[in-house]
Amino acid sequence: SQQGEEDPQALSIQEGENATMNCSYKTSINNLQWYRQNSGRGLVHLILIRSNEREKHSGRLRVTLDTSKKSSSLLITASRAADTASYFCATGRSNDYKLSFGAGTTVTVRA
Amino acid sequence: NAGVTQTPKFRVLKTGQSMTLLCAQDMNHEYMYWYRQDPGMGLRLIHYSVGEGTTAKGEVPDGYNVSRLKKQNFLLGLESAAPSQTSVYFCASSYSGQGRQPQHFGDGTRLSIL
Repeated sequence: SQQGEEDPQALSIQEGENATMNCSYKTSINNLQWYRQNSGRGLVHLILIRSNEREKHSGRLRVTLDTSKKSSSLLITASRAADTASYFCATGRSNDYKLSFGAGTTVTVRA
Repeated sequence: NAGVTQTPKFRVLKTGQSMTLLCAQDMNHEYMYWYRQDPGMGLRLIHYSVGEGTTAKGEVPDGYNVSRLKKQNFLLGLESAAPSQTSVYFCASSYSGQGRQPQHFGDGTRLSIL
C-alpha cells in the first residue's frame, strides 16, 4: 500500500507562477524525499528532509514538513516550461529498508 | 559516470515467454531496487537487495524473481510472462536504506505482454 498520497493529482499553471503540491502520509517517518519524473524518463531526486527538520530549500524549490499533521509540501517558485513533469513524494521509516512512493502530481507549465 | 543503466529499453513478449531485465550501477551502492510503474499507481516495489548475494520481497513480488550475484548488477526475471505484467520497470540504487540517502533511477524498461 502507498504510504504517501499527493494532492492535487494534476496542476496546470502559467509560466512564472508558483506551483504547490502536498503529500500526506499515514505512519511515522524518518525522512521524506521529493522526486521529479520527466516524460519517458526515470525519477530524479530533488530534496530529502528529515523528520527533525521543518523546511529545506534548493534553488527554486522549497519543501516543508509537518510531522504533527503527517504532511509535506513542495513549492516551485517562478515556474518554467522545463518544470513540466510529475512529482512524487516518498517516505522512509526506521523499520523498513525501502521507500514508499505516492501516486504523484502531474504539473504542466504553460508558456 | 553512467549511474544506473537498464537494458533493454523496450520489449514485447508473448504470454508465457520468459525474459530477464538487467540493471547495472557504477556508484558502488549497496542497496538496489526493482519497481513497476503503472498509470495512477505510482511506483510499487517488486524486490530489493541490501547487498551482494541478498534479495528480499517488496510489495508485489509474485511472478518475478531476482538475483544479485555481483554488487553492481541486479537482475529481474519473468519466468512466464502474463498480460498483467505489462508495465514500465525501473531499477534504482542507493548508498543506504530506510530513505536516509537518495535513490538513483535508471530510465526504465517498457515491457508489453501480448
